[in-house]
Amino acid sequence: SQTIHQWPATLVQPVGSPLSLECTVEGTSNPNLYWYRQAAGRGLQLLFYSVGIGQISSEVPQNLSASRPQDRQFILSSKKLLLSDSGFYLCAWTAGGPPGELFFGEGSRLTVL
Amino acid sequence: AQSVAQPEDQVNVAEGNPLTVKCTYSVSGNPYLFWYVQYPNRGLQFLLKYITGDNLVKGSYGFEAEFNKSQTSFHLKKPSALVSDSALYFCAVRGPTDSWGKLQFGAGTQVVVTP
Repeated sequence: SQTIHQWPATLVQPVGSPLSLECTVEGTSNPNLYWYRQAAGRGLQLLFYSVGIGQISSEVPQNLSASRPQDRQFILSSKKLLLSDSGFYLCAWTAGGPPGELFFGEGSRLTVL
Repeated sequence: AQSVAQPEDQVNVAEGNPLTVKCTYSVSGNPYLFWYVQYPNRGLQFLLKYITGDNLVKGSYGFEAEFNKSQTSFHLKKPSALVSDSALYFCAVRGPTDSWGKLQFGAGTQVVVTP
């Protein structure tokens, strides 16, 4: 069966420091991968998605970037964190076909101080 | 563009009573509809989906949802709520021409089940 892993689970970083959140999927090949941010415990905002190695689409302009160096690895990065980057980051995957339901990781909680 | 509305910020129900969480959608064409549940500090868990066919969809943990095309609704239901059902519930929709996995999520409904 397929599983998705995210790490670290929690992270406290000072303003201006770099960020790297990692996500890997097991048990499938060529998944579509997604990074969402959840602010204030509610609304989900799609940040990036990828349909293949090296292919990244950005949904909103921001201080973050994403990369997909391997088929089942998705990385969220920042060179200099802002206070507004704090939130709960969720990685998700779906197989490339209908209906397109997403399967989420356990999330990474980032606090920027 | 597609959209989802969850009109209730919170739903309170006593254990053993029926639970309903409301969702309405707007999409061009036939929708793909989903329900997810989130426990505190956890990722979203997939509950069920509607693709086509039977309007009553059964999912995990005894949940079901009823698709109503004329009312553009996809309400989540459980006949007898448990305290452990207390969580945040999200409805999501994807339009027929949208990319796989690009779901539009509602704002979420907090369900509180009291003993």
